[in-house]
Amino acid sequence: QVQLQESGPGLVKPSQTLSLTCTVSGGSISSDNSFWSWVRQPPGRGLEWIGYIYSTGSTYHNPSLKRRDTISVDTSKNQFSLELRSVTAADTAVYYCARYYFDSSGYYYVDYWGQGTLVTVSS
Amino acid sequence: DIQMTQSPSSLSASVGDRVTITCRASQSISTYLNWYQQKPGKAPNLLIFAASSLQSGVPLRFSGSGSGTDFTLTISSLQPEDFATYYCQQSYNTPPTFGQGTKVEIK
Repeated sequence: QVQLQESGPGLVKPSQTLSLTCTVSGGSISSDNSFWSWVRQPPGRGLEWIGYIYSTGSTYHNPSLKRRDTISVDTSKNQFSLELRSVTAADTAVYYCARYYFDSSGYYYVDYWGQGTLVTVSS
Repeated sequence: DIQMTQSPSSLSASVGDRVTITCRASQSISTYLNWYQQKPGKAPNLLIFAASSLQSGVPLRFSGSGSGTDFTLTISSLQPEDFATYYCQQSYNTPPTFGQGTKVEIK
């Protein structure tokens, strides 16, 4: 059973950088068929995909974030991380890490999620 | 980006009711459509993938159908633990996108 756990500050000042880490347990971050993802949800609103990374370091970034994000992986620690620069109040959200799995038929879906961590952008 | 539109945005139903939620994509996505359930304060939970495949451990009262642009999630007999918000998500193209959600409330 794969488990994911987010960690990082819950409060970030405007214009600064939001930094979160996701620790994966119960499975290897180097496993095939897994894209390690960040998804966020502003309070009371819907879900937005931020981006994802494969264990090789290959990444995808949602253009809506205007390349403010960096996603990295540390296979030795079984962790992956998110940095979001120049944050504003609009970046206040619950941030989830997740495994975006692609199966043998070529379908993609999130089968494991972290519990989520609320990050508030405020001075 | 592919836009996903769910209807209704919310509904009230009673235990035992049959509930249907629809999801429409702004372009054809074949069967690259997933459904998630989210309860307050919790992460989403995968119910259906590939439009109609039931995720392991999900009760049989949940089912999905559709292809192309129009999809449906059906709960055959609503149970107390099913009151939650449901999201569709397309995995046909990047970025992956979600519908706005459908909140199922107790009547």
